Amino acid sequence: DQQVKQNSPSLSVQEGRISILNCDYTNSMFDYFLWYKKYPAEGPTFLISISSIKDKNEDGRFTVFLNKSAKHLSLHIVPSQPGDSAVYFCAASANFGNEKLTFGTGTRLTIIP
Amino acid sequence: EPEVTQTPSHQVTQMGQEVILRCVPISNHLYFYWYRQILGQKVEFLVSFYNNEISEKSEIFDDQFSVERPDGSNFTLKIRSTKLEDSAMYFCASSVNSGPSGIVMNEQFFGPGTRLTVL
Repeated sequence: DQQVKQNSPSLSVQEGRISILNCDYTNSMFDYFLWYKKYPAEGPTFLISISSIKDKNEDGRFTVFLNKSAKHLSLHIVPSQPGDSAVYFCAASANFGNEKLTFGTGTRLTIIP
Repeated sequence: EPEVTQTPSHQVTQMGQEVILRCVPISNHLYFYWYRQILGQKVEFLVSFYNNEISEKSEIFDDQFSVERPDGSNFTLKIRSTKLEDSAMYFCASSVNSGPSGIVMNEQFFGPGTRLTVL
């Protein structure tokens, strides 16, 4: 049951450049999407979210883009910093976030100094 | 900044024993969740809890599992008779949940997790 997919298990980016993490979903009922960052032995930390009524949401260095027709979202981090090195999870929910989160498998981002 | 807390950070138990994992959600939050992550796998939903009752549960959440909000602050997950395959990180989460017709503010905030090891 892979309703939320992150096809890149890892990504390396030079410090200062843009990091782009991708996520695809299959369930048409999903209408709320979130990105979480996770360090080893810690819980997921909420980064940014977007609802299906928007196609872009920005918060500081983080921007999430949603393409509903392609069932695809992406997280852009610019400029990338060494502290951004972590595993990033995409998650989706139905009913505008009032239901359980379905997570992707995660992408390990490494920022190279 | 308010945060979700969980205790213990690590629990080791023998197969067949009961364990209780504890969580203190963020104080003004109304929805509470348990998720787990088996090593090397994705984070999986177990159960959601609202207004003192379970609102949704996954097929993982069988009769061996139960949740309770014994007072105004704690939220617990009990596993009655642990199995080897219950070994995982268990995460508690909470959200404000302002409702589908209102402002969307349903980001779920996660605790640091409890690592459960069943021997």
